[in-house]
Amino acid sequence: DGGITQSPKYLFRKEGQNVTLSCEQNLNHDAMYWYRQDPGQGLRLIYYSQIVNDFQKGDIAEGYSVSREKKESFPLTVTSAQKNPTAFYLCASRQRGNQPQHFGDGTRLSIL
Amino acid sequence: QKEVEQNSGPLSVPEGAIASLNCTYSDRVSQSFFWYRQYSGKSPELIMSIYSNGDKEDGRFTAQLNKASQYVSLLIRDSQPSDSATYLCAVTKVKSPFGNEKLTFGTGTRLTIIP
Repeated sequence: DGGITQSPKYLFRKEGQNVTLSCEQNLNHDAMYWYRQDPGQGLRLIYYSQIVNDFQKGDIAEGYSVSREKKESFPLTVTSAQKNPTAFYLCASRQRGNQPQHFGDGTRLSIL
Repeated sequence: QKEVEQNSGPLSVPEGAIASLNCTYSDRVSQSFFWYRQYSGKSPELIMSIYSNGDKEDGRFTAQLNKASQYVSLLIRDSQPSDSATYLCAVTKVKSPFGNEKLTFGTGTRLTIIP
């Protein structure tokens, strides 16, 4: 089945710790995206990548980092510099052009 | 002015009635328009795409686009309790092949269908 797989589903972070959220897609999509959603709020773009080995900051990139070494994978690291990381993190991908985004099931990150 | 604006709701509609969700966008060069449904605690799922002026129907859903008025709407006929969710409007502009492509989302309208 083609789709976007995010793991883990739930993640807990200790103070001062970096954590990495995984996103893998087998849809052969060029572009991949990371969003953050806080309770009752809309989606906020963290980072996005349109081709391998290239990515751009979104609206709230501070305290986050990404890599795009393979077309299928776009991991997000939440660093200790992100002081309020508790949120629902969504990964999405799309084909270039007039195509919609498709989302993974998300990862819920909480502070211990 | 926000790039994509939606009424946050909540919008309450009786079961069996038509639910009407509205979205306006600020950038005239916007070309692609999407509606997503998001159930509480879940990720958004695509329900409609529309690219040209007019209506597009898919089952109980109809998307309407008016580029002159910079307005896109979603109608849900014969509303069911299972339609209760937050509906997100998203807009994109397509530039050069390696241009700055990303969807811009509205903050969503929370819809409740009352049995």
